[in-house]
Amino acid sequence: QKEVEQDPGPLSVPEGAIVSLNCTYSNSAFQYFMWYRQYSRKGPELLMYTYSSGNKEDGRFTAQVDKSSKYISLFIRDSQPSDSATYLCAMSEGSGNTGKLIFGQGTTLQVKP
Amino acid sequence: DTAVSQTPKYLVTQMGNDKSIKCEQNLGHDTMYWYKQDSKKFLKIMFSYNNKELIINETVPNRFSPKSPDKAHLNLHINSLELGDSAVYFCASSETWTGNSPLHFGNGTRLTVT
Repeated sequence: QKEVEQDPGPLSVPEGAIVSLNCTYSNSAFQYFMWYRQYSRKGPELLMYTYSSGNKEDGRFTAQVDKSSKYISLFIRDSQPSDSATYLCAMSEGSGNTGKLIFGQGTTLQVKP
Repeated sequence: DTAVSQTPKYLVTQMGNDKSIKCEQNLGHDTMYWYKQDSKKFLKIMFSYNNKELIINETVPNRFSPKSPDKAHLNLHINSLELGDSAVYFCASSETWTGNSPLHFGNGTRLTVT
């Protein structure tokens, strides 16, 4: 079993839909949770960063972390064709270890006009 | 003024050859990484350096040798290339090595071994 599980999709939605992307993990020591967006033939770019449990909102994007369930989510409201990309979750234990960031496999999202 | 730049962007070579990929960051970060992304988009860490010192060395064949001449540069040399080495290799940097600092990625080097 991988440390971080993410459904690779693809996920296809109509423009304007609410998108929910999820990851589960097995290591209860993870404290830092990130979402990266990767466009085709580009490097991943940081979208959201969360420490421990809770919600964080940035524009149309909301990140949720539920440490008790070892489950994180990214919600995209009013999705746009420009949101079409691969979304990777990533997490780490943080201070005190070698700083290894573990990535999920990524979910490919297509938003159709 | 690209933050993390790596060259070349594409690399096509034959089995058995030796090749290098170069990476430079102008963010002033202390830590740099090499990640490998396979055809299923799975991104896996290979190495990380903090201020020129190796701190992560995952289970990678010793045909792969990273070198950090200074904290702004991290190169990757690959000897005796194999078909299975075909992938996209990403360089990244972060402010610290402790895992709570987001990574900034380059745009990747697409390596194809024939």
